Amino acid sequence: KAGVTQTPRYLIKTRGQQVTLSCSPISGHRSVSWYQQTPGQGLQFLFEYFSETQRNKGNFPGRFSGRQFSNSRSEMNVSTLELGDSALYLCASNPGGSYEQYFGPGTRLTVT
Amino acid sequence: KQEVTQIPAALSVPEGENLVLNCSFTDSAIYNLQWFRQDPGKGLTSLLLIQSSQREQTSGRLNASLDKSSGRSTLYIAASQPGDSATYLCAVGSGYSTLTFGKGTMLLVSP
Repeated sequence: KAGVTQTPRYLIKTRGQQVTLSCSPISGHRSVSWYQQTPGQGLQFLFEYFSETQRNKGNFPGRFSGRQFSNSRSEMNVSTLELGDSALYLCASNPGGSYEQYFGPGTRLTVT
Repeated sequence: KQEVTQIPAALSVPEGENLVLNCSFTDSAIYNLQWFRQDPGKGLTSLLLIQSSQREQTSGRLNASLDKSSGRSTLYIAASQPGDSATYLCAVGSGYSTLTFGKGTMLLVSP
């Protein structure tokens, strides 16, 4: 089975712009979670989608949003980008009913 | 709020040594604890998952233990190799998909 894929792998944006990141889970996996990784804060949970519904949400401002499509692919959007949004954004998929998380390679976002 | 702490933050050892990485968490009401490996600039690779009802898990040269009551887990790496060099992350699961991570231990194994 193919692993979790994330596109794009690298992205450079300017403050104030918005960005959309994409995650395709492992085939058959219905849960997708998003995490932000920065040197200062480490890995922090953003949100989780299961069967197109947001099931859990971390402590991030409303500028961070996401959605999941019927084929389980997920997108996250960040509006009005700030310098502090520069990070590695990781998504993970889970088949549902299991604790094991399978992570993608991440999208490196740089905000200038 | 769950907090996860990993000690040490960095570790440098010669090849062949056995080593222990430590993880502690503040809330013992967990579903599971997972250890991951992360290579520079890359995603996470799952190493071991311990369910809350289990005490330890083993995979090859890796052994992880869990003591829920004391809020501690250890990852034991036997006969370390240069290929083991990476950052090791401990994560506590409070549900099926929500993980709280520690800041990691950066391990360097020199030949």
